[in-house]
Amino acid sequence: DIVMTQSPDSLAVSLGERATINCKSSQSILYSSNNKNYLAWYQQRPGQPPRLLIYWASTRESGVPDRFSGSGSGTDFTLTISSLQAEDVAVYYCQQYYSTPALTFGGGTKVEIK
Amino acid sequence: QVQLVESGGGVVQPGRSLRLSCAASGFTFSSYGIDWVRQAPGKGLEWVAFISYDGSNKYYANSVQGRFTISRDNSKNTLYLQMNSLRPEDTAVYYCARDQPQQWLGLFDYWGQGTLVTVPS
Repeated sequence: DIVMTQSPDSLAVSLGERATINCKSSQSILYSSNNKNYLAWYQQRPGQPPRLLIYWASTRESGVPDRFSGSGSGTDFTLTISSLQAEDVAVYYCQQYYSTPALTFGGGTKVEIK
Repeated sequence: QVQLVESGGGVVQPGRSLRLSCAASGFTFSSYGIDWVRQAPGKGLEWVAFISYDGSNKYYANSVQGRFTISRDNSKNTLYLQMNSLRPEDTAVYYCARDQPQQWLGLFDYWGQGTLVTVPS
């Protein structure tokens, strides 16, 4: 199975400041035939189910604020929150969908307000 | 609006069975693959199973293969997860999640609120 490793495990950021979360896959999740990275990011607020934020590594889901952005390719990916808002307090997960049926998630990164 | 509502969770003794349901509304259920994803208390997300839009294809995580069975009734807009031979490590919140239309991508754009299954040790 492809192992997804997130860092850091948690971070505290001041309101309005940038938050950066990293995700590394144990093998490339870039599919050469379509040049797409099979990587998604989800946000899980306390007591809520996950919410899809980003797919294909950098495409924002409809309704997701543009302060959220995804980047990276191959094995290294980043989720950036450009200006942290109070409602962004959550755990963020990356997920690869390159290797089906063995879909895997990262361990999560908890974002808090400093 | 798209809604997925899970039910059927509870406390069940090791070795026993339980069936979860997921009622869907707000979209053409019969056009979408659906997955089950679980989350142990205080832990991360684990994909469990997938069923294609027409029920013809099913896939399972190694951890549940041979014990869990996913099924659907498109006439009732409902997804099921039959869980047999339950173990304490199956304790988790179980979410149903909508996949993509007509194909399995493993990308989940809508999630239910989840139902808690507890298997005491």
